[in-house]
This record gives sequence, structure tokens and C-alpha cells, in this order.
Amino acid sequence: ETGVTQTPRHLVMGMTNKKSLKCEQHLGHNAMYWYKQSAKKPLELMFVYNFKEQTENNSVPSRFSPECPNSSHLFLHLHTLQPEDSALYLCASSREGTANEKLFFGSGTQLSVL
Amino acid sequence: DQQVKQNSPSLSVQEGRISILNCDYTNSMFDYFLWYKKYPAEGPTFLISISSIKDKNEDGRFTVFLNKSAKHLSLHIVPSQPGDSAVYFCAATDQTGANNLFFGTGTRLTVIP
Repeated sequence: ETGVTQTPRHLVMGMTNKKSLKCEQHLGHNAMYWYKQSAKKPLELMFVYNFKEQTENNSVPSRFSPECPNSSHLFLHLHTLQPEDSALYLCASSREGTANEKLFFGSGTQLSVL
Repeated sequence: DQQVKQNSPSLSVQEGRISILNCDYTNSMFDYFLWYKKYPAEGPTFLISISSIKDKNEDGRFTVFLNKSAKHLSLHIVPSQPGDSAVYFCAATDQTGANNLFFGTGTRLTVIP
């Protein structure tokens, strides 16, 4: 198993759909992250979980709802998205979630909202 | 407003020559800087980092230089190899206690055989 696995790799959804992105890390890390990369924009932090507790919510709209049932799994539940939410969503993990740690990224989910 | 900027979206270099990727930042509180490399259909992978107490860090063919007064860092790859062709992201963070990395938009490096 590779370090951080994301599913699905690609997702197309309508604005009224509900879908979920899944992330699993096999590195024994305690912190997990959701990042968003829109076209021609930098990676942008959305959420951080340390030891299953959400420690950062970077002013993300409520149509994005994260869930972290344990230190190895992270979900991003999506509902009533907008076309401008189309982007690459990247999951990452790090050992403790403290400053200056390396992040280990998954391959991402390319999301298209129609 | 972007706090980390990579003003060159792309760079082409001949195999064996030096590749220099540049990055500028605006936040003087940033004290740790990283470079990530991304191949198509893969997530970014960590390449090299530097703390603000240093002005140079070297790892094999990769060297990062930090100029704090200019708020500028650069990544040197020498000699460049075709396998280095990827998108390179510069990132920065401060000691807020949370691991919030601020990324640039990336530079696509193409190494021509």
C-alpha cells in the first residue's frame, strides 16, 4: 500500500448531488489535511485534523463537511456544490501536525461540478 | 493575496545544465521553506527544505538558497535530468503551532534530453 491513498481519482457531480471523497494513510501519522487546488491557483488548506480532532477550518463553506473517524481515515462530504468548486482535492498527512513537518500527499481527486 | 509567489509558470532546460527555480514571499514571519515536486496524476512529494537560520541547504543535486532580506528563495538542480521534469511548488510556514503551508502556484520544469 502506498502512503496516502485517495478515492475516487475522478468525480463528476451535479450541483444537487451528494458525494464523498475518501482518504486513507498507511504511515502511522496523527494529522491529516484536506487541500484544494483550483486551476492556476496555489494549493489552499481547507481542514486539519490532529488525533481525530479538527484543529483548523480555513473559512471553508459549509457545503464541504469533513469527517475523521480515526487517525488513518479522512472523508470530505460534498453537497450542493457550485461549478467554481471544481478543483483538485488533495489529502495529506504528517506525523504530529506541528509546524515544520513534511506533508505526505495522496494523488488527489479531480472534481468537476456541472 | 498570495503570500508565496512563483512568477515563472514554466522553465525549459537542456539535460546536464543547471535549472534554477525562483520563489518570492511577502510574509516576514515565515521561517521554514519547502520545495515539493509533482508529477502528473500524482500528489506533491517533498523534495528539500530550509530553515530561516540557514541560507543554503544541499541534498545531492538539489540546493535551496534563502535570501531573507530579499524574501527570496531559489532551488538549483544540477545537473538537470529528464526525470526532473515536473511541477515544482515552493511552500512556506511560520511557527504558529499549526502546520499550515502556504504554497506558490508552481513552476513546470521541462528538461530536454
